Amino acid sequence: KQEVTQIPAALSVPEGENLVLNCSFTDSAIYNLQWFRQDPGKGLTSLLLIQSSQREQTSGRLNASLDKSSGRSTLYIAASQPGDSATYLCAVLYSGGGADGLTFGKGTHLIIQP
Amino acid sequence: DGGITQSPKYLFRKEGQNVTLSCEQNLNHDAMYWYRQDPGQGLRLIYYSQIVNDFQKGDIAEGYSVSREKKESFPLTVTSAQKNPTAFYLCASSIDAGNEQFFGPGTRLTVL
Repeated sequence: KQEVTQIPAALSVPEGENLVLNCSFTDSAIYNLQWFRQDPGKGLTSLLLIQSSQREQTSGRLNASLDKSSGRSTLYIAASQPGDSATYLCAVLYSGGGADGLTFGKGTHLIIQP
Repeated sequence: DGGITQSPKYLFRKEGQNVTLSCEQNLNHDAMYWYRQDPGQGLRLIYYSQIVNDFQKGDIAEGYSVSREKKESFPLTVTSAQKNPTAFYLCASSIDAGNEQFFGPGTRLTVL
């Protein structure tokens, strides 16, 4: 069974720190990987999409990397702000066979202390 | 204002009733998806549709049904056969299967 794991499950850091969220997946045959943000009781906001042929993507203070061979992705948040507090979800679209939906990790709950 | 809308935001159902959750998109996307989110678990795929008049079961399709008669709409029916329907339901779409998915605001279903 294909799985996505996110570590840590929760993280609390002071404002201004740079931080890294980790995502690992069991099967390297992926089509793409997406990072999302979810605020309490809300839908998901897409942050970054990395295609399988790419190594990283950047958007503002966010940088996501992808290493298919090791089955890992990281989301780097620079100069964290209280508004970054949310749950961050990693999701993988596996290629070949089975359903074409995303396989999600359980998320990292991030709190940025003012 | 382009995007994905879901209605209602909150839905209460009595045991034994069928209910239908609405999902509409005006992004001209071909692919649409339904996911279920439970506390402490990752989102799980219920059904997906790559094109009008076609849809496929996801990982947890039992007790659910869908239709895709129009490109813009992908309603989900939660039937009485679904044993534990209380959850947060999220609809998503992408320009085609394999591209970036965008999500609606969700419907929270509670069985009384």
